[in-house]
Amino acid sequence: NAGVTQTPKFQVLKTGQSMTLQCAQDMNHEYMSWYRQDPGMGLRLIHYSVGAGITDQGEVPNGYNVSRSTTEDFPLRLLSAAPSQTSVYFCASSARTGREQYFGPGTRLTVT
Amino acid sequence: DAKTTQPPSMDCAEGRAANLPCNHSTISGNEYVYWYRQIHSQGPQYIIHGLKNNETNEMASLIITEDRKSSTLILPHATLRDTAVYYCIVRIYNQGGKLIFGQGTELSVKP
Repeated sequence: NAGVTQTPKFQVLKTGQSMTLQCAQDMNHEYMSWYRQDPGMGLRLIHYSVGAGITDQGEVPNGYNVSRSTTEDFPLRLLSAAPSQTSVYFCASSARTGREQYFGPGTRLTVT
Repeated sequence: DAKTTQPPSMDCAEGRAANLPCNHSTISGNEYVYWYRQIHSQGPQYIIHGLKNNETNEMASLIITEDRKSSTLILPHATLRDTAVYYCIVRIYNQGGKLIFGQGTELSVKP
C-alpha cells in the first residue's frame, strides 16, 4: 500500500491564481481530512469528509473548497490564492472503526 | 472538544525515560486522550490513545489520572529519533476524521 499520497510536494503561486492540491489513499478509508500548518504552530483543520459525497468545514475553511466523489480521492481547491495561504498542507485518512489517522507527506505552498 | 495544555518544550537524555505531561481539566466522559507526534515537518504519527485506563504499546505508555483531568505520555528509553513535537489531543473516539491540534511539546533528546 502507498498509504496517503499528496501532489505536488512543492508549489509556488501568484496572488489570485487558483489550484488544486491532490490527495489519495489506497486503504479504503471512509474518513479524510485536510489540515494546514503555519510555521511554529500546530495543525489546523480545514475541511473533512466522512464518506463519498459528504464533506464538512473544519476550523479554517475560508478560501478553500473540497469535494469527495470517490472514496480514494479528496482534492483541496484554492479558489483565489492569497499570501495568507502560504503554509504546509497535510491530508489524512482514517477508517470508520479505526483509532488513528494516517497523514500524507505534505504539500509546501508559497503564495507571492 | 476539550482544550489541552502542554509545556512548550522539554529536554531528555538519550536512554532515559521521557515523561510528557498534558492537562485536560474540561474533558468529558466520552472523550479519549490521543497522542500524536510530528518529526521535523513530516506528517504527524499516531502514538497511543486511552479513555481512563493506563495503556501501553510498542511505542509508549499512557498514564491517565483517576479524575481524567491530566495524563502523561512515557517514552521508556528515549532515543535521538524521538526528538519531535508531541501533541496531546482530546476528542470523541474516531470523531469523523477531526483532530484539533494545540501547540504541542517540543521534545529534544540529547546524547
